[in-house]
Amino acid sequence: SAVISQKPSRDICQRGTSLTIQCQVDSQVTMMFWYRQQPGQSLTLIATANQGSEATYESGFVIDKFPISRPNLTFSTLTVSNMSPEDSSIYLCSAGAIDNEQFFGPGTRLTVL
Amino acid sequence: AQKVTQAQTEISVVEKEDVTLDCVYETRDTTYYLFWYKQPPSGELVFLIRRNSFDEQNEISGRYSWNFQKSTSSFNFTITASQVVDSAVYFCALRRNTGGFKTIFGAGTRLFVKA
Repeated sequence: SAVISQKPSRDICQRGTSLTIQCQVDSQVTMMFWYRQQPGQSLTLIATANQGSEATYESGFVIDKFPISRPNLTFSTLTVSNMSPEDSSIYLCSAGAIDNEQFFGPGTRLTVL
Repeated sequence: AQKVTQAQTEISVVEKEDVTLDCVYETRDTTYYLFWYKQPPSGELVFLIRRNSFDEQNEISGRYSWNFQKSTSSFNFTITASQVVDSAVYFCALRRNTGGFKTIFGAGTRLFVKA
């Protein structure tokens, strides 16, 4: 199994600012993803983080708002740009292999004032 | 299109009762994976099970069991002799084996187990 850590675990930010969330996996993994979980809701996939190339975004999510990097097989970052209160959510990093389990980090709880 | 439906929004049971959480999925893929995750009040997602679409055998793990039926596109989860610590939100999820291997989640079922 993979152990996933995220930093920060929570943050309170002002409207219009940006926050970068880091995700570190303790082993090399094929796939890394970023999800958003709004209060009381299910998980929504934001994008697939591709190593060394641009992330693949889901409908409704754009690179300008959620730039993602993945410089190697164990690390990825998600930036939430120009934040508004509607961006208040838990952001989860996920990782795994194609034919294996998919694990999740503990999440970053973001509150935008 | 892929879809996961968990029709039960909330279930409330008394400790020691058995409870079944329903999951129905839609996919045009012939190969895929199904998952169940538990999200306790602390918020972390706990992996419970992964099932390959080729493997329709039911699985039992302690008080947990899963019933996978391809004919009805269902992957139901039963907790036997429920305990207060089982109180959580449970998510069923579907991952395709092509096109990016994305996992989509159902809306979740919130289970309350009362002492």
